[in-house]
Amino acid sequence: EPEVTQTPSHQVTQMGQEVILRCVPISNHLYFYWYRQILGQKVEFLVSFYNNEISEKSEIFDDQFSVERPDGSNFTLKIRSTKLEDSAMYFCASSPQAKSSYEQYFGPGTRLTVT
Amino acid sequence: DAKTTQPTSMDCAEGRAANLPCNHSTISGNEYVYWYRQIHSQGPQYIIHGLKNNETNEMASLIITEDRKSSTLILPHATLRDTAVYYCIVRVAGANSKLTFGKGITLSVRP
Repeated sequence: EPEVTQTPSHQVTQMGQEVILRCVPISNHLYFYWYRQILGQKVEFLVSFYNNEISEKSEIFDDQFSVERPDGSNFTLKIRSTKLEDSAMYFCASSPQAKSSYEQYFGPGTRLTVT
Repeated sequence: DAKTTQPTSMDCAEGRAANLPCNHSTISGNEYVYWYRQIHSQGPQYIIHGLKNNETNEMASLIITEDRKSSTLILPHATLRDTAVYYCIVRVAGANSKLTFGKGITLSVRP
């Protein structure tokens, strides 16, 4: 069964550094999302992406964040200058076009630790 | 998106049915009810969704009341691997609409 994959599984970085989290959505999906979950807290929506454009973004997704689909398979989340409070699990998700209810399929996540 | 209310936790015995309730009294006519679960710190996993009618798939059944103000997720024969946080989410039908997660209900399946 096709799956969303994410790399790396764990990323440790120093405050102020740039990080890029990578995702490979399910191959025929057209809608892509990033969510994050700070330890012990709710899963929070960051951004949705379709047709090479951001469709919606949350208040969390400020100028330090950007997303890109550099080729036909990858979907990336970049944090330009990481802060301690960016430490969280970051989940990528994708959904197909064909179904009317557009369920989202999540990857296993990348644990980002900012020191 | 409409808000949902779920109990904080519940448990059930392995092999028995687990019935997880959810209230969504302010749901709109174009909003679906979705259920996801999250096992430990893994990515949320889609379980089932419905609009008006009851739905069943290989994982679970979803019972939606006639007034659509509440629903119940049923895991017919719970196993230890079903121990997880279960999220009931109502969401506008549409390709790009986000999922808004609450705290969910923690289901503990005991041997």
